Amino acid sequence: NAGVTQTPKFQVLKTGQSMTLQCAQDMNHNSMYWYRQDPGMGLRLIYYSASEGTTDKGEVPNGYNVSRLNKREFSLRLESAAPSQTSVYFCASSHGGVAGELFFGEGSRLTVL
Amino acid sequence: QKEVEQDPGPLSVPEGAIVSLNCTYSNSAFQYFMWYRQYSRKGPELLMYTYSSGNKEDGRFTAQVDKSSKYISLFIRDSQPSDSATYLCALHNAGNNRKLIWGLGTSLAVNP
Repeated sequence: NAGVTQTPKFQVLKTGQSMTLQCAQDMNHNSMYWYRQDPGMGLRLIYYSASEGTTDKGEVPNGYNVSRLNKREFSLRLESAAPSQTSVYFCASSHGGVAGELFFGEGSRLTVL
Repeated sequence: QKEVEQDPGPLSVPEGAIVSLNCTYSNSAFQYFMWYRQYSRKGPELLMYTYSSGNKEDGRFTAQVDKSSKYISLFIRDSQPSDSATYLCALHNAGNNRKLIWGLGTSLAVNP
């Protein structure tokens, strides 16, 4: 049972380059989320998708775009990477039964030089 | 004032100790009180949660909520080296906005 799978696990980019982080879940969950985690800042919500076909901004959406491709997949795109986007990115999903019960992937470590 | 405050530690205890981890919060509308555990270089995983107030016990772990004081606690009995991780509290107001409010996490090391 894979749960939430994120790719890539590690990535180094130069300023201005673009990339897409991929996320897939096999738990038939309706809601999916993208977080970033930084020392001293904790987990911050970038975007979320309450259900297939909908996306909403979180706390820190600037510089990111998302696509809910289908019920399983939710991607995060950095169009023009900046050093401030160096972070660990986590994808999560939830079935919506217990509010706040999220299932996380193992994270994608992104460094922007 | 932040909505949730959590002492980042680090907290270092000997194996077998009782550990107390805490968060304080300011919004009395929170209804779900979650504790997540995050091992190094892994994603957070839900350890346990409490709805509204009171205590909840699961094995060596007890979650406690005091809504009058806006204070939540996680107790770990007979701590083990495998409990070494960062523990994050997360609070939720079960309205239309499903946003979780996260503490910064407390780093715990249990020494054999």
